[in-house]
Amino acid sequence: QSVLTQPPSASGTPGQRVTISCSGSTSNIGSNTVNWYQQLPGTAPKLLIFGNNQRPSGVPDRFSGSKSGTSASLAISGLQSEDETDYYCAAWDDSLNGPVFGPGTKVTVL
Amino acid sequence: EVQLVESGGGLVKPGGSLRLSCAASGFTFNNAWMSWVRQAPGKGLEWVGRIKSKTDGGTADYAVPVKGRFTISRDDSKNTLFLQMNSLKTEDTAVYYCSTDFYFMGRGVIQHFDDWGQGTLVTVFS
Repeated sequence: QSVLTQPPSASGTPGQRVTISCSGSTSNIGSNTVNWYQQLPGTAPKLLIFGNNQRPSGVPDRFSGSKSGTSASLAISGLQSEDETDYYCAAWDDSLNGPVFGPGTKVTVL
Repeated sequence: EVQLVESGGGLVKPGGSLRLSCAASGFTFNNAWMSWVRQAPGKGLEWVGRIKSKTDGGTADYAVPVKGRFTISRDDSKNTLFLQMNSLKTEDTAVYYCSTDFYFMGRGVIQHFDDWGQGTLVTVFS
């Protein structure tokens, strides 16, 4: 059972905006920054968002992150077919003294 | 360009041992904190442990499920990260990824895995 909570799935049509939520507690999201990773099928995860809302070089600006209290969210604007994959939130957990991940959300482009 | 290449995965029986390697290039390895993250088949991501740079003490920290059984080490002269896995259990079956680990403690902890290897599969079965 994951320390962070995410919905198992999310979907949208091309061009739509999709939002994925990530819920935690005061020992993780409430105290530390949130990251999002994208994992295409059969490949290694890729850092998508770090520091709650920062995009690494090369990540399209249609991906955005936000955080409020003990929850965070990833938004994908202008959904594209190549966005259909798994997304994981993560944050440092002070109680466990290590990073924790959400269970992942599979995004489907209808 | 950062490159991380894992090796050493394979089949092992419960109670057995395995040593994974991660060859790094494209960055200053001796300055980097490094982590291992694993993913069981069809499951999510799980942090295994990390090792700090020697400049920052060179110590390693581990997730509870592997503490006392797994050991992370590094050879900065060869730009290589290791994961020694002992007393393996069936639940250790997973793809193991090495990654660069950014960590900064300010008002809160800023920590993220920037670059990842392609992973190596470890299967523990009897």
